[in-house]
Amino acid sequence: QVQLQESGPGLVKPSETLSLTCTVSGGSISPYHWGWIRQPPGKGLEWIGYISYGGGTSYNPSLKSRVTISLDTSKIQFSLRLTSVTAADTAVYYCVRVVTGTSNYDCWGQGTLVTVSS
Amino acid sequence: QSALTQPASVSGSPGQSITISCTGTSSDVGGYNYVSWYQQHPGKAPKVMIYDVSNRPSGVSNRFSGSKSGNTASLTISGLQAEDEADYYCTSYTSSGTYVFGTGTTVTVL
Repeated sequence: QVQLQESGPGLVKPSETLSLTCTVSGGSISPYHWGWIRQPPGKGLEWIGYISYGGGTSYNPSLKSRVTISLDTSKIQFSLRLTSVTAADTAVYYCVRVVTGTSNYDCWGQGTLVTVSS
Repeated sequence: QSALTQPASVSGSPGQSITISCTGTSSDVGGYNYVSWYQQHPGKAPKVMIYDVSNRPSGVSNRFSGSKSGNTASLTISGLQAEDEADYYCTSYTSSGTYVFGTGTTVTVL
């Protein structure tokens, strides 16, 4: 049974960089996409982007200039970097697994709240 | 990219059927059979209920079904049960190679 677990700081200062890591246990990197989705408190889901097991990426156009998703196949981890954060980036961040060639986001981490505040 | 449009709330009595709509454009919902639906209970991570318009993952009740017509996808819950009370989100692949979520629908079991 594959499990995903997010880790990283729960508090980030405005204008700094948000960095999160997702550790995959009980499964392999391929043939999946690995992504991030966020949810501001009390609001809906927002797709951030994903990276394929081959390293190709796709990002939400509204975040593209600030987002990088990377994959460490040796550690079976993937990461999110979001630069120049503001209070609007305060959200629960979920890491997800996507079955390649489908719209099946079949496995989700429990989510981690990141607050942007000085 | 604009969020897909869902009704803010839908309600029904136990045993009834309800349908949640998810309206997009020809550049997302209408252009691809890559629409999926997620159930989210308070404080929990979302769970996939339907993927690729109408496919149901193993372990998901057959009371949940999905369909699409034109630019609108739909999720139907039949035989509504108390445990179905949750938020539901659709998502679709887009012509930009990205995904976009719906605005979300709160389902209330009366």
